[in-house]
Amino acid sequence: GAVVSQHPSWVICKSGTSVKIECRSLDFQATTMFWYRQFPKQSLMLMATSNEGSKATYEQGVEKDKFLINHASLTLSTLTVTSAHPEDSSFYICSASKVINTGELFFGEGSRLTVL
Amino acid sequence: KQEVTQIPAALSVPEGENLVLNCSFTDSAIYNLQWFRQDPGKGLTSLLLIQSSQREQTSGRLNASLDKSSGRSTLYIAASQPGDSATYLCAVRQGGSEKLVFGKGTKLTVNP
Repeated sequence: GAVVSQHPSWVICKSGTSVKIECRSLDFQATTMFWYRQFPKQSLMLMATSNEGSKATYEQGVEKDKFLINHASLTLSTLTVTSAHPEDSSFYICSASKVINTGELFFGEGSRLTVL
Repeated sequence: KQEVTQIPAALSVPEGENLVLNCSFTDSAIYNLQWFRQDPGKGLTSLLLIQSSQREQTSGRLNASLDKSSGRSTLYIAASQPGDSATYLCAVRQGGSEKLVFGKGTKLTVNP
């Protein structure tokens, strides 16, 4: 199988606080993980590409200091939303590709962030 | 810049009907194309992956075709069931990149 797990599945926080979302590949090793953001009735927008042991590559327009990404191992990447504001409220989804790359990407269940 | 379009945006059919979802992309230099299913408030479930050298892939009642030269893919669902109700997303991966470019999806409702 190829299971990607995200935690938490939903989180509510106060404006100004930081929130960490974890993305784990449960039964495979992932050299590369991707973080997406999805607004209601919109498609997924790639935020950043995370490679194990190196700095993440951010897409144009994504603030790297606000969305901190760490890929410390072949099975775990984290996204930290720092000093969250209501406009950061969204659905965040991660995906991972296997070390032995078949070209297929596997997605987590998503994390719903609501900033009050 | 690759752009992916899915038509229709929404589709409602009676149970048992066969249906086709469409996906088009502007840059034919793709590595592969993937169809996903997304239930409300959930992540993405991979349905079918078609490599650029392939013409179609089948899984159960699902069949996906790819015409790279014309920039089109279709997802055929046979004998639709209420449990098929979901949003179906098409995504393409460019050659030399691991990034996926997504369409906005087709929201399918199968009425019992």
